[in-house]
Amino acid sequence: RKEVEQDPGPFNVPEGATVAFNCTYSNSASQSFFWYRQDCRKEPKLLMSVYSSGNEDGRFTAQLNRASQYISLLIRDSKLSDSATYLCVAHYGGSQGNLIFGKGTKLSVKP
Amino acid sequence: DVKVTQSSRYLVKRTGEKVFLECVQDMDHENMFWYRQDPGLGLRLIYFSYDVKMKEKGDIPEGYSVSREKKERFSLILESASTNQTSMYLCASSGLRDRGRYEQYFGPGTRLTVT
Repeated sequence: RKEVEQDPGPFNVPEGATVAFNCTYSNSASQSFFWYRQDCRKEPKLLMSVYSSGNEDGRFTAQLNRASQYISLLIRDSKLSDSATYLCVAHYGGSQGNLIFGKGTKLSVKP
Repeated sequence: DVKVTQSSRYLVKRTGEKVFLECVQDMDHENMFWYRQDPGLGLRLIYFSYDVKMKEKGDIPEGYSVSREKKERFSLILESASTNQTSMYLCASSGLRDRGRYEQYFGPGTRLTVT
């Protein structure tokens, strides 16, 4: 069974902290990975795509370790507005567009 | 910007009713998906479609059907709604911008309550 596993949290951190989420995937054929952010009662929104070893966008850094089959997301200098659930996602493999979603890690940034 | 819209944000239906949820995307995407999301269970794929009139079952298709008559529109049908279909329903679309790229873009969701 193809799965993506995440620590559900919650991660409670103070403003300004650095926080890291890890995620493991079971399908070695997955080539594309994503992090989505989901606010309470809203739809998931794409935060970052990871197609090679990693990606960086401002305070957010994603890293991919294919040998160990895990992806991480690092958030530096956390803001109150970063509070959300972060979904780790892997492409199913092959030429189809199916994605496998983790259940999400909840982050709460406190003042 | 990709825009995915869903016909209703909130819907309340009675047990046994036939329910239609509609999704429209404006990016000429080939792929469209219907998910449901429940607390503790995450996103679960109901049905997907890679082309007009094409449909494939996802992980939990029982009790649902779909229709894709036009590329931009993907409908989810609950033939006879039941209380266990109370959930948040999310539509998504994706297109192959470059080889191997599969980002999905979601609509705002429909929160369906079946009483």
